Amino acid sequence: DADVTQTPRNRITKTGKRIMLECSQTKGHDRMYWYRQDPGLGLRLIYYSFDVKDINKGEISDGYSVSRQAQAKFSLSLESAIPNQTALYFCATSDLGTSGGAGADTQYFGPGTRLTVL
Amino acid sequence: AQSVTQLDSHVSVSEGTPVLLRCNYSSSYSPSLFWYVQHPNKGLQLLLKYTSAATLVKGINGFEAEFKKSETSFHLTKPSAHMSDAAEYFCVVRGYNFNKFYFGSGTKLNVKP
Repeated sequence: DADVTQTPRNRITKTGKRIMLECSQTKGHDRMYWYRQDPGLGLRLIYYSFDVKDINKGEISDGYSVSRQAQAKFSLSLESAIPNQTALYFCATSDLGTSGGAGADTQYFGPGTRLTVL
Repeated sequence: AQSVTQLDSHVSVSEGTPVLLRCNYSSSYSPSLFWYVQHPNKGLQLLLKYTSAATLVKGINGFEAEFKKSETSFHLTKPSAHMSDAAEYFCVVRGYNFNKFYFGSGTKLNVKP
């Protein structure tokens, strides 16, 4: 079974609709992230969470919200979807490097959710 | 501040020839650097990472990268391309204080038969 799963894998919705993307992980990591990928722009960070009580905005959080329901679950919501939110969305987790803040964490990615807003 | 620049958006090589994907980083401290690969319609997979140990890092599938502090570079190489290497590659630098990761814009590698 995959360590990081995302549901749904594909979603087509209409402008103004509320939509939730879900992410679950079995890696036991405390840190979880949501990114969106657009062609030619790489991955941009939307939100990240270092534990259940910790939520932080990334570089492009406007129009999005998140919920960390448990260590293993991190959901991304679009309260009122708009067409420029059409993108590929990735969830990722990371562990703590062996030397703490100076250590090199590794991120593990889910398979992605392709969202289309019409 | 940290940032990554991937110098080529597209690279095309023939099967069996060397691969070079270029990455320059900007960081105010000794960085942690990564290369990820994304095959079509797939998620991202870690190829290799640099963690201030050996400057030449070996990864999976015959890839390696060399950290050059004087040039602020972390280029990805492979001696002989295989058709299965066709994918998009991302260079990533890790932020120090906040454990955020900064992605380059990606390089699409095309391998011709």
